[in-house]
Amino acid sequence: GQNIDQPTEMTATEGAIVQINCTYQTSGFNGLFWYQQHAGEAPTFLSYNVLDGLEEKGRFSSFLSRSKGYSYLLLKELQMKDSASYLCAVRDSNYQLIWGAGTKLIIKP
Amino acid sequence: EAQVTQNPRYLITVTGKKLTVTCSQNMNHEYMSWYRQDPGLGLRQIYYSMNVEVTDKGDVPEGYKVSRKEKRNFPLILESPSPNQTSLYFCASSFGDGQGYGYTFGSGTRLTVV
Repeated sequence: GQNIDQPTEMTATEGAIVQINCTYQTSGFNGLFWYQQHAGEAPTFLSYNVLDGLEEKGRFSSFLSRSKGYSYLLLKELQMKDSASYLCAVRDSNYQLIWGAGTKLIIKP
Repeated sequence: EAQVTQNPRYLITVTGKKLTVTCSQNMNHEYMSWYRQDPGLGLRQIYYSMNVEVTDKGDVPEGYKVSRKEKRNFPLILESPSPNQTSLYFCASSFGDGQGYGYTFGSGTRLTVV
């Protein structure tokens, strides 16, 4: 079966750095997405990786290793507004998105 | 403003009473999709559409219907809702088949079936 694993919850301190991991086992791979979802709101697109390596976008970076079935989202200089769930999703061989259950990130002052 | 509009935001209904959740996008996107989101589970796809008059089942299509008569609209129909369809529903759209592009999600519809 297809599976996306992420930690359920993480806690970090304002101003610090946090890394959210995602491992996947899917039938084929055609890209990996990270989305941010604030409580009760719609997910919003953060990043897309299809090749191995690091993609940087301001305070957020996303890394992919296809051979290891692994990605992480790195958030720097954490702000209180970064408190949200972070969803990892993989596009499989049929170009359908398989979603992880999300990681709830709690930021403490 | 580019957006996906879902209505209603909240809905409480009784078992068996047919309902429709509307979804409309103003970005000329080919691809549209419906998801449900339940606590502890990832987003699960109900139905998707690659273009007008082209729809296909996702992972959890039972109890739902969709139609794509116009490019901008993709309504979700529950012919006979049951309590296990109580969930948070999202409509999403993207260019092409979504490859390489992030989805734009609607604001969600919180449905309660009693």
